[in-house]
Amino acid sequence: KNEVEQSPQNLTAQEGEFITINCSYSVGISALHWLQQHPGGGIVSLFMLSSGKKKHGRLIATINIQEKHSSLHITASHPRDSAVYICAVRTSGNQFYFGTGTSLTVIP
Amino acid sequence: DAGVTQSPTHLIKTRGQQVTLRCSPKSGHDTVSWYQQALGQGPQFIFQYYEEEERQRGNFPDRFSGHQFPNYSSELNVNALLLGDSALYLCASTRPAGQGAFGNTIYFGEGSWLTVV
Repeated sequence: KNEVEQSPQNLTAQEGEFITINCSYSVGISALHWLQQHPGGGIVSLFMLSSGKKKHGRLIATINIQEKHSSLHITASHPRDSAVYICAVRTSGNQFYFGTGTSLTVIP
Repeated sequence: DAGVTQSPTHLIKTRGQQVTLRCSPKSGHDTVSWYQQALGQGPQFIFQYYEEEERQRGNFPDRFSGHQFPNYSSELNVNALLLGDSALYLCASTRPAGQGAFGNTIYFGEGSWLTVV
């Protein structure tokens, strides 16, 4: 069993739809990261969370430490949001565990 | 401020050969981690270097080795390449967790695409 599980694995949405990607983890963490990976491999860190909620533009990330669960929401989705979104957790030993990613396609 | 830089970006090797990949961390970062990402999969942790020592290691064979230099740059070496080693190899840098890095973000390089034929 992976330390980090994401769902769904693949997601197709119409432009403008509200999107939610979920992440559950089984290890103790010091922080959780949401990453965006575009075709070609480049990975960008979107959010880093240790509690509560963060918002950046149309992106919102929440975390529930007790339930070991986090969600990434995209409001008013746009085709340029099409990418792979990866949940990663960081342990107190500075090791990262990654989910297998959610491939998002937003159709115009 | 340059982020994490990796080289080469793409390379093709023959089964049985050896490969060296290079990484320079983000300025101010002294911890470098290497990850292997197969197509359609999330990154898998190979190992982490801090203070020129391998501090943690994932479930990878001894064919995978590394090095960190005094300037914090790092190399990943893979010996006796197998077809299954074909993947994107990502380098990431952070500050150590013990140095106020709680909440520090992780920075990734663009990766090195390795194809073994």
